[in-house]
Amino acid sequence: DGGITQSPKYLFRKEGQNVTLSCEQNLNHDAMYWYRQDPGQGLRLIYYSQIVNDFQKGDIAEGYSVSREKKESFPLTVTSAQKNPTAFYLCASSFRALNTEAFFGQGTRLTVV
Amino acid sequence: EDQVTQSPEALRLQEGESSSLNCSYTVSGLRGLFWYRQDPGKGPEFLFTLYSAGEEKEKERLKATLTKKESFLHITAPKPEDSATYLCAVQSNTGNQFYFGTGTSLTVIP
Repeated sequence: DGGITQSPKYLFRKEGQNVTLSCEQNLNHDAMYWYRQDPGQGLRLIYYSQIVNDFQKGDIAEGYSVSREKKESFPLTVTSAQKNPTAFYLCASSFRALNTEAFFGQGTRLTVV
Repeated sequence: EDQVTQSPEALRLQEGESSSLNCSYTVSGLRGLFWYRQDPGKGPEFLFTLYSAGEEKEKERLKATLTKKESFLHITAPKPEDSATYLCAVQSNTGNQFYFGTGTSLTVIP
């Protein structure tokens, strides 16, 4: 089955530790995205990538980093510089960056204690 | 600045009671408007894409329409399984990002 897989579903980390969230897609999509979702707020874009080895900052990139070494994979690292990392993180992909809908994974809920 | 506003924030309907959800947008040139359904603790599920004013799309009990300033998601004779948060997103001509509204939480009571 084609789709987007995020892992793990739940993640707990201690404050000050970096953590990496996995996102893999087998849809042959060029573009991939990372969003953060907090209660009462819309999805906010962290980073996006239109093609392998290229990515751009979204509206809330501070404290996060990404890589896009393979078309299928777009991991997100939440660094210790992110002041409020506890949130629901969503990865998405689309066939092209423009004019096509994005499909989402099932999300990773990160809790930092 | 590109903006998306959804209303109402929450909506409770009796089973079979039809209604509409609103998505108002301000973008410098609309590339596309997208509707998603999100169940608690899950990722959004794609429903519809609309590209130009006057366009309509239907799927089961849902119908999405688009004008130059807003989109409506009409729900006809809803069932309890239609309960979810419905998200609207737009993509503008000036960038590659999707801008999301905060959603409408729909509860359908049996």
